[in-house]
Amino acid sequence: NAGVTQTPKFQVLKTGQSMTLQCAQDMNHNSMYWYRQDPGMGLRLIYYSASEGTTDKGEVPNGYNVSRLNKREFSLRLESAAPSQTSVYFCAGAGGYEQYFGPGTRLTVT
Amino acid sequence: QKEVEQNSGPLSVPEGAIASLNCTYSDRGSQSFFWYRQYSGKSPELIMFIYSNGDKEDGRFTAQLNKASQYVSLLIRDSQPSDSATYLCAVKSSSGSARQLTFGSGTQLTVLP
Repeated sequence: NAGVTQTPKFQVLKTGQSMTLQCAQDMNHNSMYWYRQDPGMGLRLIYYSASEGTTDKGEVPNGYNVSRLNKREFSLRLESAAPSQTSVYFCAGAGGYEQYFGPGTRLTVT
Repeated sequence: QKEVEQNSGPLSVPEGAIASLNCTYSDRGSQSFFWYRQYSGKSPELIMFIYSNGDKEDGRFTAQLNKASQYVSLLIRDSQPSDSATYLCAVKSSSGSARQLTFGSGTQLTVLP
C-alpha cells in the first residue's frame, strides 16, 4: 500500500518546454488535488477533482491543465513552462475531508 | 486579510516544554480544522483534526478549537527535537468545494536539546 505516489521527484525544464506530472493513489479516494508550495506562501491549490470525470480550478490554475484519467490517477500538465512555475508540487488524495499527500515533485524552470 | 493566518515563527522551545501553535481563520462558517506537520524537504503529514469546540487529545498532541473566537491551536507536550518541523493549519471553509481546504503558511518550530 503505497498511498499517494508522484513522478518524477525532480525535474529541470527550460522556459517554453512542456511536461506532465503524474500522481496515483491506491487508497480508493474519490477526491484528488494538485498544490504548489513556494517559500512563505504555504500550499496553494492549483486544480482538484472531486470525483472521477470532474475537475475544477483552484486558487492558481493559470498555466496548468489537469486530467483525471481514472479514479487512481490525476495528472498535471504544464504546456509552456515559465520560471514563475518553479516550485514544489504536491498531489493529495482524500476520501473525506482529511487529505493525504504524495512525496512531491521539485520543479525548476530556467 | 488572509483566510487562514499563522505566525511564521520561528518558534523555539526547549526540550520537554510545551509548544503552542496558533491559527486564526476568517470564515465564521468553517466546520473542519486540520494540523499537518511538514519536515524540511518532505510532504505534509496529517497529525490532528478537530470538528467540535473544545479540546481533542492524541498522545502528546492536543488540538483546541474555539469557533466563537475563530481560532484553533495545537499544543505539543514534552516537546522533542524530532518535533522540529513546520506546522500547517488547514481549514474547510463553508464556501467552495465540499472537499477543498485552505492552508495557512505554517509555523516553523524548533525544539532545542
